[in-house]
Amino acid sequence: SQTIHQWPATLVQPVGSPLSLECTVEGTSNPNLYWYRQAAGRGLQLLFYSVGIGQISSEVPQNLSASRPQDRQFILSSKKLLLSDSGFYLCAWSVPGFNQPQHFGDGTRLSIL
Amino acid sequence: AQSVAQPEDQVNVAEGNPLTVKCTYSVSGNPYLFWYVQYPNRGLQFLLKYITGDNLVKGSYGFEAEFNKSQTSFHLKKPSALVSDSALYFCAVRPNTNAGKSTFGDGTTLTVKP
Repeated sequence: SQTIHQWPATLVQPVGSPLSLECTVEGTSNPNLYWYRQAAGRGLQLLFYSVGIGQISSEVPQNLSASRPQDRQFILSSKKLLLSDSGFYLCAWSVPGFNQPQHFGDGTRLSIL
Repeated sequence: AQSVAQPEDQVNVAEGNPLTVKCTYSVSGNPYLFWYVQYPNRGLQFLLKYITGDNLVKGSYGFEAEFNKSQTSFHLKKPSALVSDSALYFCAVRPNTNAGKSTFGDGTTLTVKP
C-alpha cells in the first residue's frame, strides 16, 4: 500500500534562518505531489505542485521554493524565514488524473520566533 | 474561477442523531467533488468523491454525500453520528480539465456530543 512521510513533525526556527521540509511517498510511481499551508486549523492554501521530476508549479509568490529531485521526493525550502511563514505545512500526493483524491501526510508545524 | 463555500464554521449534533455538513461550489464545466476529514494535528483523510453517475455517493465510516447539480451543492451526511466523528471536515472541488486544480473550502468543525 502507499504511504507518505513528512518530517519533522514540529520545528521551531528563528527569523532569517533557512528551512528544509521533506516529504517522501512509497508504494506508487510518478505521483502528483503538493505542498499546502494551513493557517489556524482552517483552509488550505496550495503553495506548489509537481507532476514530475524537476517540474514545479508555484501558486503563490512568496518566500518559499520547492524541488522534486526524485520521483517520490518533494522538498519545501526557504533561504530566510519570515514570521509570516509560521503555520502547518502539509504534503500530499495523488495518482495522476482529474478524478483522483489527494492523500496527505501528517504535516509539519512550523513556528518562527 | 472556481470556489467552494462551507457556510457553517461549526456544526453541533447529539450522538445518534443524523448529521449534515453543507458545501456549495462554483466551477466551470462538470465538477469533481471530494470530502476530507482532519483530526487534530493530523493530515486530511479522504472520505468520498463524486465523479459522475448516481447522485448519492457512499464513502468511509458510514458517510455519504448527495450531489445536487441544480443547487450546486454536495452536502455530507451520516444517518447516526458518533462522538468519534468529531473533527474538521473539508469539501473540495476541481474541474474535469487538464489544467484544473483542487480548491478547498475553509472547513467545518463537527462536534458530536454524547
